[in-house]
Amino acid sequence: DTGVSQDPRHKITKRGQNVTFRCDPISEHNRLYWYRQTLGQGPEFLTYFQNEAQLEKSRLLSDRFSAERPKGSFSTLEIQRTEQGDSAMYLCASSFGSDTQYFGPGTRLTVL
Amino acid sequence: GESVGLHLPTLSVQEGDNSIINCAYSNSASDYFIWYKQESGKGPQFIIDIRSNMDKRQGQRVTVLLNKTVKHLSLQIAATQPGDSAVYFCAENSGTALIFGKGTTLSVSS
Repeated sequence: DTGVSQDPRHKITKRGQNVTFRCDPISEHNRLYWYRQTLGQGPEFLTYFQNEAQLEKSRLLSDRFSAERPKGSFSTLEIQRTEQGDSAMYLCASSFGSDTQYFGPGTRLTVL
Repeated sequence: GESVGLHLPTLSVQEGDNSIINCAYSNSASDYFIWYKQESGKGPQFIIDIRSNMDKRQGQRVTVLLNKTVKHLSLQIAATQPGDSAVYFCAENSGTALIFGKGTTLSVSS
């Protein structure tokens, strides 16, 4: 499968714990995006990378959130000190430049 | 801020009917729009896109229409099938972030 992949698909954690998600983009895509989606809503933009550079961050990306793309390939999204309000689907997408963004299957986070 | 929205939260059709899903946008400077289909528990799946220099674009069983005068776009699905049941989102491409509306849930009964 040459699409966007995400790991894990599901994560259940206790409030206050740290979690890390991974995204592997389509190999020839230079841009990688993170979105968050809550129930009944459309995805909301969090941040994006062009190669290894993080070029834009949304106001939604609080200080507890950090994303990296160290070698311009896969990316990780870490949430520190999770809160119940962080429960959501975290989606990764990739694109070549500003062309069509293709999404992965998402990581469903549940914070107890 | 600018936003993209959909007119109806739900749409129910019979198998074989044509479906029309509508979307209104507010940023008149927007020049690139995308329709995505999202099935339960999955990520959004690209369906079709259109740029502002076009009024209409056709794919396999799908057509997107763009009316820049009233800032409206629509997705038409021909001969709707049960497998088309999903949530449909229109999204505006700002050049980096996609701005999504709330989505329309399409239910197809056989």
